[in-house]
Amino acid sequence: GQQVMQIPQYQHVQEGEDFTTYCNSSTTLSNIQWYKQRPGGHPVFLIQLVKSGEVKKQKRLTFQFGEAKKNSSLHITATQTTDVGTYFCGGGAGNMLTFGGGTRLMVKP
Amino acid sequence: KAGVTQTPRYLIKTRGQQVTLSCSPISGHRSVSWYQQTPGQGLQFLFEYFSETQRNKGNFPGRFSGRQFSNSRSEMNVSTLELGDSALYLCASSLDRSITGELFFGEGSRLTVL
Repeated sequence: GQQVMQIPQYQHVQEGEDFTTYCNSSTTLSNIQWYKQRPGGHPVFLIQLVKSGEVKKQKRLTFQFGEAKKNSSLHITATQTTDVGTYFCGGGAGNMLTFGGGTRLMVKP
Repeated sequence: KAGVTQTPRYLIKTRGQQVTLSCSPISGHRSVSWYQQTPGQGLQFLFEYFSETQRNKGNFPGRFSGRQFSNSRSEMNVSTLELGDSALYLCASSLDRSITGELFFGEGSRLTVL
């Protein structure tokens, strides 16, 4: 079945440094979604990418969808303590949304 | 409008017991998905319901089951609980997953099996 891998599993950064998490699927995806889960909270939708090579920005966050629609990345510029949490990618194929294991971001002030 | 509501929020059970968790989706949402979240395994897909029909099922044993009612509310049941079933169970609703809608998650039901 479809597998979605996400790296790194953990990332410690100093406030102000950049952060990137990568998502790779074993199969071609119809779309990819990104979610953020704060400690003790539930996943909250950030964005959805549908087109091959698509790039979307939300303030300091940049999301990319690979040309082959099998990988994606989330880049945060100049991290802040409010960015702390776990970032999940979810690969969509048909009705299914398969999540990666998540990247837990910790930011030192 | 109200978000996804899950009950109960916390519960403790012992091995061998069974548990039923409830999820009320956002009004108008017809798709309800269930996920199991554990520290080691991340978000594991359990099943998805749309208009009272199970459309997809993850790779979980038959002890895990669910259903959806005509008002889109959903329940999931775990029978013969095992220690490894301890997890946060998340319900997510969407208008219709088949048209790649975003998922709106509830706060989850945290199950501890002793």
